[in-house]
Amino acid sequence: AQSVTQPDIHITVSEGASLELRCNYSYGATPYLFWYVQSPGQGLQLLLKYFSGDTLVQGIKGFEAEFKRSQSSFNLRKPSVHWSDAAEYFCAVGSSGTYKYIFGTGTRLKVLA
Amino acid sequence: DTGVSQNPRHKITKRGQNVTFRCDPISEHNRLYWYRQTLGQGPEFLTYFQNEAQLEKSRLLSDRFSAERPKGSFSTLEIQRTEQGDSAMYLCASSPNPSADTQYFGPGTRLTVL
Repeated sequence: AQSVTQPDIHITVSEGASLELRCNYSYGATPYLFWYVQSPGQGLQLLLKYFSGDTLVQGIKGFEAEFKRSQSSFNLRKPSVHWSDAAEYFCAVGSSGTYKYIFGTGTRLKVLA
Repeated sequence: DTGVSQNPRHKITKRGQNVTFRCDPISEHNRLYWYRQTLGQGPEFLTYFQNEAQLEKSRLLSDRFSAERPKGSFSTLEIQRTEQGDSAMYLCASSPNPSADTQYFGPGTRLTVL
């Protein structure tokens, strides 16, 4: 079955600390992978995406993610978190020509001042 | 691009009433998607249009739900005889030509059924 697992429902970090959000997927085809961020009551903003090539991808707001095929993972990282990063983060998987993404259940990030 | 827009942003209705939501995709994006997001969950796919053709409907989309994209531009999602279980955020997304697979999401319409 196709699925995305985000094992951490909530994560709390101090401002300035590093961050890693985990994402594991199960998908039959070659995956396209995405990270989106959602602020309360808002839609989803694309942070970064991986289609092919370099397995370390850079995104907006200082985020990066690394695709590890052997581990079926696409973890999101940021070296120094800002208070404005507090939001919910969703990992999603699709593939070439597909029309629907499969989303994880999200990780809610809280940032302590 | 001005981004994907959705109206209304919030809708409160009584059980049994009909509601309609509108989505305006990014200009010239020919693919349009509807997702539903319930509290504590990620978005779930509902349906997809390529231009004016509705090419896929999820099993989540019961016969009370209907979506249209009459001229291949904006889309509407109608829910008839709303139920409390329909309360959710309804998200619209669009993407450009079929070779580009990135979906850009709108702000969503939050539906509350009393």
